[in-house]
Amino acid sequence: AQSVTQPDIHITVSEGASLELRCNYSYGATPYLFWYVQSPGQGLQLLLKYFSGDTLVQGIKGFEAEFKRSQSSFNLRKPSVHWSDAAEYFCAVGGGSYIPTFGRGTSLIVHP
Amino acid sequence: GAGVSQSPSNKVTEKGKDVELRCDPISGHTALYWYRQRLGQGLEFLIYFQGNSAPDKSGLPSDRFSAERTGESVSTLTIQRTQQEDSAVYLCASSSRGMKGNTEAFFGQGTRLTVV
Repeated sequence: AQSVTQPDIHITVSEGASLELRCNYSYGATPYLFWYVQSPGQGLQLLLKYFSGDTLVQGIKGFEAEFKRSQSSFNLRKPSVHWSDAAEYFCAVGGGSYIPTFGRGTSLIVHP
Repeated sequence: GAGVSQSPSNKVTEKGKDVELRCDPISGHTALYWYRQRLGQGLEFLIYFQGNSAPDKSGLPSDRFSAERTGESVSTLTIQRTQQEDSAVYLCASSSRGMKGNTEAFFGQGTRLTVV
């Protein structure tokens, strides 16, 4: 069975600082990995995805993520956070079934 | 439509009443998912529809929950005899069918259900 762990429930950063949100997955074969963002009162929007190829993937809004098979990780990064990035971030894994499995989410708080 | 549409956006109901939530997926998307998101929690899978195949109901928490979908169109999620623990945001998503897990799911804005 596939699973996702997002170890940080909340992350607080200052505007302009760099950001890294952690995601670890469990899946026996090469996974399909996703990061979604949920702004308050909104549905989930896809930031980026990894299916194969280059392990560093670029997404929207200046986000990137790196797939590290040896660490079973797919951490999300952004070099300089903006106040509008404050939101809930979800990592998800697919491949074992047609139903993507989501982590519990990480809430990003941005201080001015 | 251009995106996944859910209605109502908010629903307040009395404990014990039945509620029906609606999801209109993106046209042409054969796969449809319902998830539940309790306050401060992640997404909990409820049910998955794929075309005319039998739905995967493995995530439904009790027999008070049911869902229907007609072909590849609208889906309704029904909760009978609502309980306070049913209070949550119910999210619907759709995607085009591909290999297992390799297609992006597009989400609606959700229905916030409050049982009082």
